[in-house]
Amino acid sequence: QSALTQPPSASGSPGQSVTISCTGTSNDVGGYNYVSWYQQHPGKAPKLMIYEVSKRPSGVPDRFSGSKSGNTASLTVSGLQAEDEADYYCSSKAGGSTTVVFGGGTKLTVL
Amino acid sequence: EVQLVESGGGLVQPGGSLRLSCAASGFTFNTYYMSWVRQAPGKGLESVAKIKPDGSEKYYVDSVRGRFTISRDNSKNSLYLQMNSLSAEDTAVYYCAKEDYWRFDIWGRGTLVTVSS
Repeated sequence: QSALTQPPSASGSPGQSVTISCTGTSNDVGGYNYVSWYQQHPGKAPKLMIYEVSKRPSGVPDRFSGSKSGNTASLTVSGLQAEDEADYYCSSKAGGSTTVVFGGGTKLTVL
Repeated sequence: EVQLVESGGGLVQPGGSLRLSCAASGFTFNTYYMSWVRQAPGKGLESVAKIKPDGSEKYYVDSVRGRFTISRDNSKNSLYLQMNSLSAEDTAVYYCAKEDYWRFDIWGRGTLVTVSS
């Protein structure tokens, strides 16, 4: 069982927006602004898409945005494109742990 | 070009040992935390070990503490993971990752470790 809870799947049509949630506790997501999101295509390494809740690394399209409310973080993908179909993982700093905790992942399907 | 390249994976029998290596390039290796993150087949990501830039402190997830040892050689821009007493539950792709404020911003391609008789 993962430390952070994500829905196993999400979907949307091209051009639509989809939001993926990541629920933790006050000891991780709710307690720190160190939430990150990763995109992983099959057979590939994960890629950092969002860090510190809402910041985008250079080169990540602004269609990807992040937010947090209480113990739940969210990743929103706007203007869905076929290449956005992938697995998405959230992660957070966790109190009492020196390693990062991950969510179980969400498979995003572009219909 | 910023790059991490893992090596050393393979098939090992239960109870056996394996040493993974990760060669870093394109960034100032000795100023960053480095980590190993694994992914079991069809499963999610798990951060298993982390080491300070100077190697003075090391951190492990409970499931590998006492069996795995992370180390680094800053003179060679290299990261290592010594894995002992391996079991089937350790079967996974192991990624080397640069960690910066609890985010993994650079990942290697991974190396597959299979524990099976």
